[in-house]
Amino acid sequence: RKEVEQDPGPFNVPEGATVAFNCTYSNSASQSFFWYRQDCRKEPKLLMSVYSSGNEDGRFTAQLNRASQYISLLIRDSKLSDSATYLCVVNLSGGGADGLTFGKGTHLIIQP
Amino acid sequence: NAGVTQTPKFRVLKTGQSMTLLCAQDMNHEYMYWYRQDPGMGLRLIHYSVGEGTTAKGEVPDGYNVSRLKKQNFLLGLESAAPSQTSVYFCASSYFWGQSSYNEQFFGPGTRLTVL
Repeated sequence: RKEVEQDPGPFNVPEGATVAFNCTYSNSASQSFFWYRQDCRKEPKLLMSVYSSGNEDGRFTAQLNRASQYISLLIRDSKLSDSATYLCVVNLSGGGADGLTFGKGTHLIIQP
Repeated sequence: NAGVTQTPKFRVLKTGQSMTLLCAQDMNHEYMYWYRQDPGMGLRLIHYSVGEGTTAKGEVPDGYNVSRLKKQNFLLGLESAAPSQTSVYFCASSYFWGQSSYNEQFFGPGTRLTVL
């Protein structure tokens, strides 16, 4: 089983719609979870951390399901500027500096 | 603050040539990382450093060497470039806060390397 797995997409979504995607991870002992955003030919940037209780930042909501070992990202009222690749990132080693494992990303295209 | 910067932004090498990629950060971060990103492969860790004077191997270290002589700089070297090393290279840096493993990584803009 791949360590951090995402649906590569692309997800083609009309502007204003709600879109959600999941990411599964292999190590049940993982402690840290993040969503990064990467625009075309740019560097990844942190979108949000994912906490056990779930967290929300404006139109973005992240959830963690430890029992099923997945995290999710929900985007409401999607904007054209949300078009990007969303990387799921998990610290599989539980805390080591080399522990961050990046998923291959989910490509999101918001259409006018 | 400039954040994380990388030099050069683009480079074309011939097989067998050597080069050094420079990463600099002005955030006083202890941890620094080198990744490569290839289509369909995601980001893969090459080497990393937990402090000045220390380095360690990541997932794909073969063909690369690194040095961290100053806290703010992390160098990635290719001694004899191969076409398989054609990739986009990202440097990143982070704090590390105790056992919480909160380690948001701040990335540089990347270096696009082509080996012919």
